[in-house]
Amino acid sequence: ILNVEQSPQSLHVQEGDSTNFTCSFPSSNFYALHWYRWETAKSPEALFVMTLNGDEKKKGRISATLNTKEGYSYLYIKGSQPEDSATYLCAFRSTSGTYKYIFGTGTRLKVLA
Amino acid sequence: NAGVTQTPKFRVLKTGQSMTLLCAQDMNHEYMYWYRQDPGMGLRLIHYSVGEGTTAKGEVPDGYNVSRLKKQNFLLGLESAAPSQTSVYFCASSDPGQTYEQYFGPGTRLTVT
Repeated sequence: ILNVEQSPQSLHVQEGDSTNFTCSFPSSNFYALHWYRWETAKSPEALFVMTLNGDEKKKGRISATLNTKEGYSYLYIKGSQPEDSATYLCAFRSTSGTYKYIFGTGTRLKVLA
Repeated sequence: NAGVTQTPKFRVLKTGQSMTLLCAQDMNHEYMYWYRQDPGMGLRLIHYSVGEGTTAKGEVPDGYNVSRLKKQNFLLGLESAAPSQTSVYFCASSDPGQTYEQYFGPGTRLTVT
């Protein structure tokens, strides 16, 4: 059974703070790692697809890094805003089943104004 | 471009009743998925399909059946609903390939009493 873990489960930050959270996944048979942003009462929206060790992706104030050798990815938010409040999900795909997305349980971020 | 749509958005069933959830996508994607989302559990894969006419079991398939008679539609059936199937159900679609993202529908909130 492939296990994907995210930490922390939740966090509260003040507006303007920078923050980061972690997605841990199996370090073997890596195919891709996906990050999603999931607002309450909406459906998950794709943020990044990461495929190569050392990948860094950026979208506005949000960026992500990938280390496939040790099996982790970091998501960073610089200068958090209240509109960044959401659950951030990662999903791992393995070469032994590339069509399957194994989701972590998410990190719930609340940005306080 | 509607993306991924789900019907219905809400439903209340009595134990033992049956129903079908419809997922439709207009992006010509090969892969389609059904997930359920429960508090603290993240997204869990129920069934998936890698092409028209093919389906396969995911992580939590018991009590559900699926069909993919047309490429754009993926149906999820509950033959005899149980309270344990109270959940939010998400459909998703994607294309094969390393960098392709999953696109999610808006979700169906099902309550079984």
